[in-house]
Amino acid sequence: GIQVEQSPPDLILQEGANSTLRCNFSDSVNNLQWFHQNPWGQLINLFYIPSGTKQNGRLSATTVATERYSLLYISSSQTTDSGVYFCAVGPSNTGKLIFGQGTTLQVKP
Amino acid sequence: EPEVTQTPSHQVTQMGQEVILRCVPISNHLYFYWYRQILGQKVEFLVSFYNNEISEKSEIFDDQFSVERPDGSNFTLKIRSTKLEDSAMYFCASSERGAGGGYTFGSGTRLTVV
Repeated sequence: GIQVEQSPPDLILQEGANSTLRCNFSDSVNNLQWFHQNPWGQLINLFYIPSGTKQNGRLSATTVATERYSLLYISSSQTTDSGVYFCAVGPSNTGKLIFGQGTTLQVKP
Repeated sequence: EPEVTQTPSHQVTQMGQEVILRCVPISNHLYFYWYRQILGQKVEFLVSFYNNEISEKSEIFDDQFSVERPDGSNFTLKIRSTKLEDSAMYFCASSERGAGGGYTFGSGTRLTVV
C-alpha cells in the first residue's frame, strides 16, 4: 500500500520562528489534507490540497503531485500552534485516507 | 462552518461490554468513515460507508465491529465485546464526494476499556 512519511518527527521552535513540515508519499493520490491535532485530540483540517498552493493566514501549503510531496509552512509561530501535524493522502483507487506518523511541534514562549 | 458531531466525547466501559459511538455527519455529505487513533500513534482507517453499505474496511474492522445509519442523520459504530486494546480515540468523518474530495472530521470519542 501507499507509504506516507513526514519529517521532521519532532520540532521545537521559539515563538515567532518559521518552519517547514514535509510529507512524502509513495504513489499517486487524489486527495491530500493537512491536519492539526490540538492538545485535546481534535483533528483540525488545515488544507485540502491535492495539488498547487494555498494560504490561510500564517499557514500555507504546497503540493507537487508529480514529485509526490507536500510542504506545510508555518510563519511567525505562536504557542497555540503547538500540537501534532498530520498529512493524510487518499490513494487514487480508494476513498480512504492514509495518515502519516505526524510531526510534533512545540512552540516555546 | 458545518461540523461533524460525535457523542459522547469520552466513554469508559468494562471489558466485554458493548459500546455504540454516535456521529452526525454534515447533512449534504454522502460518504461516511470511522478512523481510530491509539494513544501516541497515527490515525488509522477502519471503514467507509456509502449508499447504506460498507464500501471498504480495513483489517482492523473485524466481526466485533459494525456500522449503521439508523436514520437520515446518524451514523454509528458498534463494538460488540470490547477488549483492552480497543481503547483509543475514534473519529467519524464525512465527505461530499468521497475519493477526490475533502473530508471533515469530528472531534472524536475517547474510549477507555477497563
